[in-house]
Amino acid sequence: NAGVTQTPKFQVLKTGQSMTLQCAQDMNHEYMSWYRQDPGMGLRLIHYSVGAGITDQGEVPNGYNVSRSTTEDFPLRLLSAAPSQTSVYFCASSYSGGNNEKLFFGSGTQLSVL
Amino acid sequence: GENVEQHPSTLSVQEGDSAVIKCTYSDSASNYFPWYKQELGKRPQLIIDIRSNVGEKKDQRIAVTLNKTAKHFSLHITETQPEDSAVYFCASKGGTSYGKLTFGQGTILTVHP
Repeated sequence: NAGVTQTPKFQVLKTGQSMTLQCAQDMNHEYMSWYRQDPGMGLRLIHYSVGAGITDQGEVPNGYNVSRSTTEDFPLRLLSAAPSQTSVYFCASSYSGGNNEKLFFGSGTQLSVL
Repeated sequence: GENVEQHPSTLSVQEGDSAVIKCTYSDSASNYFPWYKQELGKRPQLIIDIRSNVGEKKDQRIAVTLNKTAKHFSLHITETQPEDSAVYFCASKGGTSYGKLTFGQGTILTVHP
């Protein structure tokens, strides 16, 4: 199993550009989420999904869209990039059953908005 | 919403010493408290977790304690080694919010040989 796969690893955008960060998992996990990591602020939840067709906002959703058309994929769209969106982005998935609530993270995307 | 505060932000210890990182949470309904370790340039990985019906959990040199009344939990690392150097994050989860964690700000732990 590949686990959680994120692409791209690095991206530089100009203010106002749009892009999509890709995330795919092959563990048949129901729950998927996107976090951004900024120095001194930990990991903050952007959007999450509890299953195909179901998404909801997290702590910092503004400027981002998500969709979940399949169990495997959970792309994050930046609509009009701003310098404040410069960050490291992590996608994560988790199992829904029993006592196993471990988050499996992707390798991250380092995004710079100029 | 839930708020998690983590202290200290940086911690420096000598090899062999113990390290303690503390977190407080605000939502009394939170019932799951994991700790993640993130090495430089890598993804966060779960190292230990505890549920609200347990007061303490150990795994070799790592232990976590939970005080539900005071709404705080702590990570204890004994006999620290240079490879323990990393950023450590605490987190909490409320109720049935699977896959939705609130993280602390992180602690940069440096273990000097």
